[in-house]
Amino acid sequence: GDSVTQMEGPVTLSEEAFLTINCTYTATGYPSLFWYVQYPGEGLQLLLKATKADDKGSNKGFEATYRKETTSFHLEKGSVQVSDSAVYFCALREKDTGRRALTFGSGTRLQVQP
Amino acid sequence: DSGVTQTPKHLITATGQRVTLRCSPRSGDLSVYWYQQSLDQGLQFLIQYYNGEERAKGNILERFSAQQFPDLHSELNLSSLELGDSALYFCASSDRVFDGYTFGSGTRLTVV
Repeated sequence: GDSVTQMEGPVTLSEEAFLTINCTYTATGYPSLFWYVQYPGEGLQLLLKATKADDKGSNKGFEATYRKETTSFHLEKGSVQVSDSAVYFCALREKDTGRRALTFGSGTRLQVQP
Repeated sequence: DSGVTQTPKHLITATGQRVTLRCSPRSGDLSVYWYQQSLDQGLQFLIQYYNGEERAKGNILERFSAQQFPDLHSELNLSSLELGDSALYFCASSDRVFDGYTFGSGTRLTVV
């Protein structure tokens, strides 16, 4: 079945550091890929997405590129802020199956220190 | 405000009891999804409804059931509760095009 693997957290960085959170996936077809962010006490919010190979999703300084050859969708940001501290979830959805449920990774907690 | 409303925000109940969680999807969204988030299991997909019909089932226990009503709100019923059912329960909705989910802020269930 489908699965998403994320790097273990927590990831602790200083403000203005470069961020990478790794995400790899297993799917039978060509899924759409997503990153969601969860701030403390809140629900998940869509951060960015990509629907086909080589697509780059971007939002609020975060970027991720859909790499079919390595089945990866790593999240990056050039300069993190304290306000980026949250849990980040990578997710996929199989296309053309009629199944719209997302499969999530286990989440990676990011802590940014001033 | 995401547009997806979940009530109640917090619920504390005893083992063996039954509770109902409620979700109102974002205006115009026909699909509702329920997820359970616990520390050891992460985000687990429970069930999906589309316009009143069950569309997909995930790791939902037999003690749990759900439905979606004609006004598109959904309820998740949890019965014979166990300590291990303590978790955050999220509802999400999506539209027909599926541009991603919109999540509610969740219901935190504590079983004591």
